[in-house]
Amino acid sequence: SQTIHQWPATLVQPVGSPLSLECTVEGTSNPNLYWYRQAAGRGLQLLFYSVGIGQISSEVPQNLSASRPQDRQFILSSKKLLLSDSGFYLCARSVGLAAINEQFFGPGTRLTVL
Amino acid sequence: SQQGEEDPQALSIQEGENATMNCSYKTSINNLQWYRQNSGRGLVHLILIRSNEREKHSGRLRVTLDTSKKSSSLLITASRAADTASYFCATVGGSQGNLIFGKGTKLSVKP
Repeated sequence: SQTIHQWPATLVQPVGSPLSLECTVEGTSNPNLYWYRQAAGRGLQLLFYSVGIGQISSEVPQNLSASRPQDRQFILSSKKLLLSDSGFYLCARSVGLAAINEQFFGPGTRLTVL
Repeated sequence: SQQGEEDPQALSIQEGENATMNCSYKTSINNLQWYRQNSGRGLVHLILIRSNEREKHSGRLRVTLDTSKKSSSLLITASRAADTASYFCATVGGSQGNLIFGKGTKLSVKP
């Protein structure tokens, strides 16, 4: 089966602390991977996407960065968290171009920055 | 930038009734997708309708697409309490041609 794991499931961090969220994918090779953020009661905002190892594209400038050290691993990081970084972070994958195919989502990480 | 906009923002119905949600978008599309999100969970893909299709069915779901009006609708027939969730439409947008999601319709089905 094609499964997406995210951890941690929930995280409470103080402002100014670092962040590392991990996403791993099973059952598929060379997937396109995506990080989204969802603010409370809002839609999804695409943060980063990756079409391969070491290849990262950013949709919007922000306080976050992403890395893809392995084919099935996608990491979201920050050196210093801001209050506005709070939200629900979702990792997703697609087979081929997202414009054509559906996306599969992980269970998400809820981040609260205090 | 927002590509898809769902309407209404919230919908409350009784079990057994039909629920209709609408989505409007701005630019020409290759396809339009509908997703469901249970509270605090990831999104689940429901159905994809291509730009050359006008209607598509999947179980109790019926999706229509009107490219002339740049709009789509999702109909859930004979709703159940388990259908309670947020529903999002998604189309291609952004600088790299990735999927852009609307803000969603929050559906509440009361038993």
